[in-house]
Amino acid sequence: DAGVIQSPRHEVTEMGQEVTLRCKPISGHDYLFWYRQTMMRGLELLIYFNNNVPIDDSGMPEDRFSAKMPNASFSTLKIQPSEPRDSAVYFCASSSQPTGHNQPQHFGDGTRLSIL
Amino acid sequence: AQKVTQAQTEISVVEKEDVTLDCVYETRDTTYYLFWYKQPPSGELVFLIRRKSFDEQNEISGRYSWNFQKSTSSFNFTITASQVVDSAVYFCALSEAEDNAGNMLTFGGGTRLMVIP
Repeated sequence: DAGVIQSPRHEVTEMGQEVTLRCKPISGHDYLFWYRQTMMRGLELLIYFNNNVPIDDSGMPEDRFSAKMPNASFSTLKIQPSEPRDSAVYFCASSSQPTGHNQPQHFGDGTRLSIL
Repeated sequence: AQKVTQAQTEISVVEKEDVTLDCVYETRDTTYYLFWYKQPPSGELVFLIRRKSFDEQNEISGRYSWNFQKSTSSFNFTITASQVVDSAVYFCALSEAEDNAGNMLTFGGGTRLMVIP
């Protein structure tokens, strides 16, 4: 079975550029999560969707960040304009039921983002 | 508010030694879920185990075992006869089972385990 697929695996870009991270959840999963991992703050939930609808975006750091889920098999996380402090590993995860209902989240391999 | 504390930031053991990774959590909910994830050097996050608050039975899976104690709010993870492949960062996480909060995974800071050959 295919797991959560993220692309690209690595992204290096210059400050001010637009960055788009992509995620394909596990087929049949209707919850999708975006996380950011940094040394300073650890793993943080940025936003999550249920049935393609954003449910909680309170973790999104600022207006430069936006996330969309146009259909059940695709989501994007966009940063515009990017800044060096956005450098981190961004993970996408999906689950088939709410995490609190006994289903784990399955994570992709992450996108390592470096903003110069 | 929920919180997960992994007090051990880094542990080194010699291969074949047993090692226990500590996890202490805080929650006001009576129903919650606890998780362990492994992050090997390649960077992906691998799900290891999920435990519901009502199920205090300890679990064993091969060389891995988990000790859940509600009385001390702890969910510790023991690796028996450690191997070099166990070297990774291990994360403990908590999810409260109330509506939207049930989808919020709160992670601990992680414990980096290094198994020395």
